[in-house]
Amino acid sequence: LAKTTQPISMDSYEGQEVNITCSHNNIATNDYITWYQQFPSQGPRFIIQGYKTKVTNEVASLFIPADRKSSTLSLPRVSLSDTAVYYCLVGDWDTGNQFYFGTGTSLTVIP
Amino acid sequence: GAVVSQHPSWVICKSGTSVKIECRSLDFQATTMFWYRQFPKQSLMLMATSNEGSKATYEQGVEKDKFLINHASLTLSTLTVTSAHPEDSSFYICSARRFGQNYEQYFGPGTRLTVT
Repeated sequence: LAKTTQPISMDSYEGQEVNITCSHNNIATNDYITWYQQFPSQGPRFIIQGYKTKVTNEVASLFIPADRKSSTLSLPRVSLSDTAVYYCLVGDWDTGNQFYFGTGTSLTVIP
Repeated sequence: GAVVSQHPSWVICKSGTSVKIECRSLDFQATTMFWYRQFPKQSLMLMATSNEGSKATYEQGVEKDKFLINHASLTLSTLTVTSAHPEDSSFYICSARRFGQNYEQYFGPGTRLTVT
């Protein structure tokens, strides 16, 4: 299994950019990296997915270095509503290990 | 698109009774659905993987006779918690893989089960 490691928690002030890093040293060639956001008592919500280099969508950016052993989720100008738990998942459908969640990072945005 | 619903959103039942939770993919066909359980302040734990028309694959430590999973169609999977006990109280979340979609799961809103 491509195990992931994330910081347990982070705090940030409103309006700042937040970067959450995930380590996945054993990532396989076919593995994709996916980030989810979860609010209390809700199902996870897809944020972004990538394989290498940089991916950007309307809510976040995902930076993946050349060795792919880590990835960084970047949230620009966070607001109070971004307070949530963020999960990094690594894997593909063939290996099946993208279904396993790690501890996640609890982000608290402070006014 | 890619909406997954769950019903009920919350349920309270007495110890010893059975509870059925439905997971539906509303606007796509799901070849594979997944069931997770989440305790307060903890991460999601995969319970089982179900493929339409075949038996579910349970994760180690999950009792298949207690957590019955049926994936009768490409849009519906059900989880039945049999003879529920207070320790089964948890947040149950399903997700679905869209047919032909490779790398994304679509999650339902979850079902809060409380066993008294």
